[in-house]
Amino acid sequence: DVKVTQSSRYLVKRTGEKVFLECVQDMDHENMFWYRQDPGLGLRLIYFSYDVKMKEKGDIPEGYSVSREKKERFSLILESASTNQTSMYLCASSRTAMGTDTQYFGPGTRLTVL
Amino acid sequence: DAKTTQPTSMDCAEGRAANLPCNHSTISGNEYVYWYRQIHSQGPQYIIHGLKNNETNEMASLIITEDRKSSTLILPHATLRDTAVYYCIVRVEGTGTASKLTFGTGTRLQVTL
Repeated sequence: DVKVTQSSRYLVKRTGEKVFLECVQDMDHENMFWYRQDPGLGLRLIYFSYDVKMKEKGDIPEGYSVSREKKERFSLILESASTNQTSMYLCASSRTAMGTDTQYFGPGTRLTVL
Repeated sequence: DAKTTQPTSMDCAEGRAANLPCNHSTISGNEYVYWYRQIHSQGPQYIIHGLKNNETNEMASLIITEDRKSSTLILPHATLRDTAVYYCIVRVEGTGTASKLTFGTGTRLQVTL
């Protein structure tokens, strides 16, 4: 079974703090994704990575950066957390870059920024 | 990607089959039907997908009509742990950020004793 893990289930940070969210997958998948999910807004793509050190901006990259130094690990960084970044953050991975390839999700990190 | 329409909510008695419908009347020939579910406060879980033929796996069956304009997800023996929001998605082949998932509002399935 594919396993995608995220570093924290719940996180509380203060405005202006630098926040690191980590995601690890154990299936040697090429692609990894960071989404955020908010009530009424559904799932929105923040960043996508198709290989080590390679990334593409998604629909809402402002205020976020990412790092992929190893194939299995994809980190999301909030450089200076703000209250409007309070959300559920979901990491996903897929075997290939094909749009019809199955994406597998981690358990999510619910981030609250005070 | 083609738009999908699902009922907002459904109830099902435990042990009975849950049949969740999805309309995707504008689906194109190269678009796949995917189903995911999301249990409260957890990450989405992949269930099943198909293109034209009916599909079955250990979790569910997917029945796609011959004209591909609608489909039904079947959970053969629903349990309380199947209570979740179920998302029907139509996905086109594409690479990079085009492969992103977009969930609609889904169907909230409540399984009861």
